[in-house]
Amino acid sequence: KAGVTQTPRYLIKTRGQQVTLSCSPISGHRSVSWYQQTPGQGLQFLFEYFSETQRNKGNFPGRFSGRQFSNSRSEMNVSTLELGDSALYLCASSWEGVNTEAFFGQGTRLTVV
Amino acid sequence: GQNIDQPTEMTATEGAIVQINCTYQTSGFNGLFWYQQHAGEAPTFLSYNVLDGLEEKGRFSSFLSRSKGYSYLLLKELQMKDSASYLCAVRDTNAGKSTFGDGTTLTVKP
Repeated sequence: KAGVTQTPRYLIKTRGQQVTLSCSPISGHRSVSWYQQTPGQGLQFLFEYFSETQRNKGNFPGRFSGRQFSNSRSEMNVSTLELGDSALYLCASSWEGVNTEAFFGQGTRLTVV
Repeated sequence: GQNIDQPTEMTATEGAIVQINCTYQTSGFNGLFWYQQHAGEAPTFLSYNVLDGLEEKGRFSSFLSRSKGYSYLLLKELQMKDSASYLCAVRDTNAGKSTFGDGTTLTVKP
């Protein structure tokens, strides 16, 4: 069974640009969550999608958005990039999103210069 | 909201036992998870507690006290490969939303 796949693995962008990251969950998983991980802030919850609907949202500005497709694949978009957006972006999928473990992808390392 | 505290760093000796504590204050609680994350890699699931008590899984055990807002992860017979960051995460009553602690970096020395 394939794991959670995130693309691309590494990305370098310039301030002001926008970026789209992709996450393909484990087959059969309908819940996809996105996290930002930085050395100073740890793992911060961005949002969670379930059956194409945003079910939960963290405390990030509106520049961070996402969506989920009918095949459960998810994308997150960051517009008007800032230097502080440099981080590891992790996607996690789970079967129901309730009492089940989340499986993480390898992440996308975004560097904003 | 959720607030989760765990020590930043711990050091232990190969073969020993180490206990990593996690305390939390939450507006909602639907289970506590422990994850292991090696440098440069994705977090991997270790344990899940939703009821009070001890859950044992091989060399790893996790304990939960909901009334005290407290959990610990116990690692026995430490091995060098156990050097990693250990993340405590609390799942909200809103399914799918988990809040992570900043992680405890464990260094196992020979």
